[in-house]
Amino acid sequence: SAVISQKPSRDICQRGTSLTIQCQVDSQVTMMFWYRQQPGQSLTLIATANQGSEATYESGFVIDKFPISRPNLTFSTLTVSNMSPEDSSIYLCSVQVGAVAFFGQGTRLTVV
Amino acid sequence: AQKITQTQPGMFVQEKEAVTLDCTYDTSDQSYGLFWYKQPSSGEMIFLIYQGSYDEQNATEGRYSLNFQKARKSANLVISASQLGDSAMYFCAMREETGSTLGRLYFGRGTQLTVWP
Repeated sequence: SAVISQKPSRDICQRGTSLTIQCQVDSQVTMMFWYRQQPGQSLTLIATANQGSEATYESGFVIDKFPISRPNLTFSTLTVSNMSPEDSSIYLCSVQVGAVAFFGQGTRLTVV
Repeated sequence: AQKITQTQPGMFVQEKEAVTLDCTYDTSDQSYGLFWYKQPSSGEMIFLIYQGSYDEQNATEGRYSLNFQKARKSANLVISASQLGDSAMYFCAMREETGSTLGRLYFGRGTQLTVWP
């Protein structure tokens, strides 16, 4: 299994500001995944982050809005930039260890 | 087309009874994995059970079992002896093991399970 520490667990932010979410894994992993879960919805993949290369974004998500860093094999950050109320969601990082995908505790973001 | 379909928005079960949560999937890959996760109100995603497409036996993890019917493309979760703490949202997910989508999960819309005393 994997222990994934995600911070912050929740935050309330003003519109127009940015928030950086951190994800730390207790083992080295090749790929880290960032998901968004809007209220009452399922999870949607934002991007895949590989160490040493640019993140790969899914349709509808752009680097200027959701910049991602992956400085090493155990850590990644996701920034939600220039926030609006529509960005209010749970953001989750995920890694695959063996066959299983594990998730961090999630960051519950409210934009006011 | 939806890759994962969960047709039950909500399910109710009495404590100590068994409950089945439905999940069907759509893929043309021969190699894939199927997952179930539990999401309590706190928002975390808790891994419950995994089934590989080549696994011939149904996966079991304690009170959880996955009823895998490959020809019907279904992967239902069975929870035996329900407990009050099982009340949560449950998501079915699939990972295709080949192609450009390697590693990503596709999720269903979820089923809200309520266990009553």
